Amino acid sequence: EAGVAQSPRYKIIEKRQSVAFWCNPISGHATLYWYQQILGQGPKLLIQFQNNGVVDDSQLPKDRFSAERLKGVDSTLKIQPAKLEDSAVYLCASSLAPSSALGKLFFGSGTQLSVL
Amino acid sequence: QKEVEQDPGPLSVPEGAIVSLNCTYSNSAFQYFMWYRQYSRKGPELLMYTYSSGNKEDGRFTAQVDKSSKYISLFIRDSQPSDSATYLCAMKGGATNKLIFGTGTLLAVQP
Repeated sequence: EAGVAQSPRYKIIEKRQSVAFWCNPISGHATLYWYQQILGQGPKLLIQFQNNGVVDDSQLPKDRFSAERLKGVDSTLKIQPAKLEDSAVYLCASSLAPSSALGKLFFGSGTQLSVL
Repeated sequence: QKEVEQDPGPLSVPEGAIVSLNCTYSNSAFQYFMWYRQYSRKGPELLMYTYSSGNKEDGRFTAQVDKSSKYISLFIRDSQPSDSATYLCAMKGGATNKLIFGTGTLLAVQP
């Protein structure tokens, strides 16, 4: 079974530039998550999709972050403009079960973003 | 006060030692308790999960939940160098049912 695919693995940009991350979840997984993991901290949920609808984006800084999930499969997360404090690993995860149950999350390897 | 507290370590133990990892939490609505293992430059992977209070064993790993004390533990018996990773506790429940992670404990098992 193929895992969650993310690209790129690493990205270095200067502040105020824009950046986009891509995620392809496990086939058949209806729920997709984007997490931000700052060095030394646990992952923090940014946005959760159920199919192509947003379930929870309460912690997404909407003035600079945006995300979409077209056709309920792949997803992109964009930051525009980036700030120094956005330096983190951005993890994509997917699950088969809906969020109300114990849905086992499968994580990708993440994109490590450095904002200079 | 953070919803989930976890000692960041690092924790260094010799091979074969018993490892104890712990988290405390403040939200009494949490019902599902999980432990994720995260190797360097990889995403977290689910290691153990328990529902409500009690113990669960899987090979060398035992997860314990004490809801009365709001305290969960992960024990690793006969630790191996391959167990070296960051261990994240996570929990969910209540109205939002959002998965909340601890900060993670970095474990190093020395051969």
